[in-house]
Amino acid sequence: DVKVTQSSRYLVKRTGEKVFLECVQDMDHENMFWYRQDPGLGLRLIYFSYDVKMKEKGDIPEGYSVSREKKERFSLILESASTNQTSMYLCASNKGGLAVYEQYFGPGTRLTVT
Amino acid sequence: LAKTTQPISMDSYEGQEVNITCSHNNIATNDYITWYQQFPSQGPRFIIQGYKTKVTNEVASLFIPADRKSSTLSLPRVSLSDTAVYYCLVGDFGASGGSYIPTFGRGTSLIVHP
Repeated sequence: DVKVTQSSRYLVKRTGEKVFLECVQDMDHENMFWYRQDPGLGLRLIYFSYDVKMKEKGDIPEGYSVSREKKERFSLILESASTNQTSMYLCASNKGGLAVYEQYFGPGTRLTVT
Repeated sequence: LAKTTQPISMDSYEGQEVNITCSHNNIATNDYITWYQQFPSQGPRFIIQGYKTKVTNEVASLFIPADRKSSTLSLPRVSLSDTAVYYCLVGDFGASGGSYIPTFGRGTSLIVHP
């Protein structure tokens, strides 16, 4: 079974803090994704990585950065958390070649910034 | 930009067939259409993917007309456990215009009543 794990299910941080969200996949997938999900807006892509140290901006990259130092791990970083970054964050991975291949999602991290 | 349009919500009853239609007027020639299902507090799960005509698996059928500007997900004989949000995806180029990546829409919330 493909497994995508995220470091926390729930996280509460204060405005201005630096926040790290970690994602690990165990299927040797080339592609990894970070999405945020807000009520009524569906899933919006923040960043996408197609290889180690490679990244590409999604639809809403502002206020976020990412790091992929190892193939199995993709980190999302909020340099200075703000209340409008309160959201559900979902990580996903899939095999390389075509990014439209089936994505496998983690359980999500619900982040609250106060 | 390739984007999708789906109904925001649908209601059905146990045992009925449910058809959810997605519009994707600007789909690229080589793009696939993918559907995901999401239950509360979980990440989305792949249901089905197709390029043209009809695709069927153990969970659903996907109908794609010749012009490929829309697609219909068909769930046969739904049960209460099919209550979920259903997302239609096509690809799009990322914000930097690089890789072609899947783009989620806002999804259709399906409620199945007893």
